[in-house]
Amino acid sequence: NAGVTQTPKFRILKIGQSMTLQCAQDMNHNYMYWYRQDPGMGLKLIYYSVGAGITDKGEVPNGYNVSRSTTEDFPLRLELAAPSQTSVYFCASRGQGDNQPQHFGDGTRLSIL
Amino acid sequence: EDQVTQSPEALRLQEGESSSLNCSYTVSGLRGLFWYRQDPGKGPEFLFTLYSAGEEKEKERLKATLTKKESFLHITAPKPEDSATYLCAVPGNNFNKFYFGSGTKLNVKP
Repeated sequence: NAGVTQTPKFRILKIGQSMTLQCAQDMNHNYMYWYRQDPGMGLKLIYYSVGAGITDKGEVPNGYNVSRSTTEDFPLRLELAAPSQTSVYFCASRGQGDNQPQHFGDGTRLSIL
Repeated sequence: EDQVTQSPEALRLQEGESSSLNCSYTVSGLRGLFWYRQDPGKGPEFLFTLYSAGEEKEKERLKATLTKKESFLHITAPKPEDSATYLCAVPGNNFNKFYFGSGTKLNVKP
């Protein structure tokens, strides 16, 4: 019962460094999402994917990139990390059908110093 | 633009003291509303989906209701283990995107 797995759980980056946040799901879901959650705030959508090879921007895509080469994996790439990207990042997946809820991983806590 | 607003931001209750959380939304057409529970250090966990005005869903001490403009999450006789942040979300036009409220942080004291 792995569900959605995110790695790493914690990471500290220096300004200007790059990294990839990993997300994998084992439920054969078509839809996958990346959100960021800042303290006291809700989830803001960064990017989403409706299937392998198809991605699109969410509300706050600047500074991030994604790819979806397989159904299972949806990595999020940060290029040239900035302090404003300090946040908790959540990946989610969802099955086909309007009534399907999102299943979330436990997040990656990222600090940019 | 679709927007979701939750109130209050924080709520402190005594064990057994019932109350309600509010989720109001402005959407071009109601396509459903989702409630999630989020524990500290964890991702949100699905609770309910509501689709049409007048619909109600229940789970243990929680009951969610939906009108044309807002949803309520009623908590009856809460226990300390109900302490969490409760989030609501509405889907975008084609269900590809979801818009989340900022959440209500509930603290139930024994």
